Amino acid sequence: DAGVTQSPTHLIKTRGQQVTLRCSPKSGHDTVSWYQQALGQGPQFIFQYYEEEERQRGNFPDRFSGHQFPNYSSELNVNALLLGDSALYLCASSFGRGSLRQETQYFGPGTRLLVL
Amino acid sequence: RKEVEQDPGPFNVPEGATVAFNCTYSNSASQSFFWYRQDCRKEPKLLMSVYSSGNEDGRFTAQLNRASQYISLLIRDSKLSDSATYLCVVNPTSSAGNNRKLIWGLGTSLAVNP
Repeated sequence: DAGVTQSPTHLIKTRGQQVTLRCSPKSGHDTVSWYQQALGQGPQFIFQYYEEEERQRGNFPDRFSGHQFPNYSSELNVNALLLGDSALYLCASSFGRGSLRQETQYFGPGTRLLVL
Repeated sequence: RKEVEQDPGPFNVPEGATVAFNCTYSNSASQSFFWYRQDCRKEPKLLMSVYSSGNEDGRFTAQLNRASQYISLLIRDSKLSDSATYLCVVNPTSSAGNNRKLIWGLGTSLAVNP
C-alpha cells in the first residue's frame, strides 16, 4: 500500500520565480491538503482539495494556487516567489466525507523549498 | 487567545520517566483532536486520534477535558526514540459542517536522555 508521495524532495529557486510541487495521495484517499512549515513552527494550512475543487483555504495570498486531478493527485503552485516562502511544504491525504475519521491525515515526506 | 496552544518546551527527561504535555484550544465546539509526532526534518506522523474522553495505545495515553478545553498526552516509560516534537491538532467544527480545516499547535519538544 503506497503512502503519500511528494516530488521533488528538495528545490532551490530564486526570488520572482514560479514553482510547482506535486503530491500523490495514499491509496484509497480522495482529499489532499497542503501545508507550509517554516523552521521551528507548526504546519500552516494552505488549502484543501476534494473532488477537484478547492474546499478550504488558509491565510495565504493568491500567489499560492493548486489543482487536483481526476486520479486525486494534486499540485501546489507558487508564483512570484519571496524569500519568506522558503519552508517545508507538506501534503496530507485523507478519505472524504462521512465519519469523523475523515480528518485523519497522513503526510508525505515534504518538499523542502529554498528561495534565494 | 490562540486557537491551539502548546508549551514549546523543551522537556528534558531521563529514560523511563513519565512525561505529560497539555494542549489548550479556544473553540468549545471542537469535535476531534489528534496528536502527531514529528522528528527533526521529517513529516508529521499520526500518533493518536481522540474523539471522546480519551484514547490509550501502549505507553501513550491521550485524554480530553472538554470542560477545561484541553487535551493531554501522557508518555509512560519513555524511550530514547520518543525524542521528537509532539504536535496537537484540533478540528474546530463538527464534521457535519464539512469543515476539514485543522488547526495545528506549534508543537512541544521532547528530549529523552540516557
